Amino acid sequence: RKEVEQDPGPFNVPEGATVAFNCTYSNSASQSFFWYRQDCRKEPKLLMSVYSSGNEDGRFTAQLNRASQYISLLIRDSKLSDSATYLCVVNPRTGGFKTIFGAGTRLFVKA
Amino acid sequence: GAVVSQHPSRVICKSGTSVKIECRSLDFQATTMFWYRQFPKKSLMLMATSNEGSKATYEQGVEKDKFLINHASLTLSTLTVTSAHPEDSSFYICSAGDLRGIGEQFFGPGTRLTVL
Repeated sequence: RKEVEQDPGPFNVPEGATVAFNCTYSNSASQSFFWYRQDCRKEPKLLMSVYSSGNEDGRFTAQLNRASQYISLLIRDSKLSDSATYLCVVNPRTGGFKTIFGAGTRLFVKA
Repeated sequence: GAVVSQHPSRVICKSGTSVKIECRSLDFQATTMFWYRQFPKKSLMLMATSNEGSKATYEQGVEKDKFLINHASLTLSTLTVTSAHPEDSSFYICSAGDLRGIGEQFFGPGTRLTVL
């Protein structure tokens, strides 16, 4: 089993749609969780951190479920500019500082 | 978020030459820097982790004599691809993090290496 697993997609959605991504992680001792966004041929950019209480930033909502070991990202009112690969990132913070990246989920938002 | 620069952004070189890539954290002190490579349409692959002032920790399968990493200060890490070959052509991305924070990483813009 991979340490961090994501549905690779692609997700093809129309503008204005709501789309949700899930990500599961295997290390129950994981401490920090993030969603990054990566555009084609560009570096990943931090989208948001994920907290147990959940957090929201505009159209984006991230949730963490420690009991089930998954995190989610919800995008409401999708825009064309949301088209990208979304990376789930988990930091175990045990004995060091080694971040684990999921393989990413591709999202295409169409007009 | 924090700003990380990477230089050069693109390099084309002949087989057998060495290429040095610099990664700088511009507005914070990075206790840890990471080097990744990414092939087209593939996920990021961690190559090594470096902490300021100590030797880098390489991932399994990454040759430390081929990919030399130096992290001499809290704001600068370098990756040198020695005796580059065409199979080393890839997108190399560095990131910087601060162990004192919650663990987020900030990425440089990447270096696209093409070895002829």
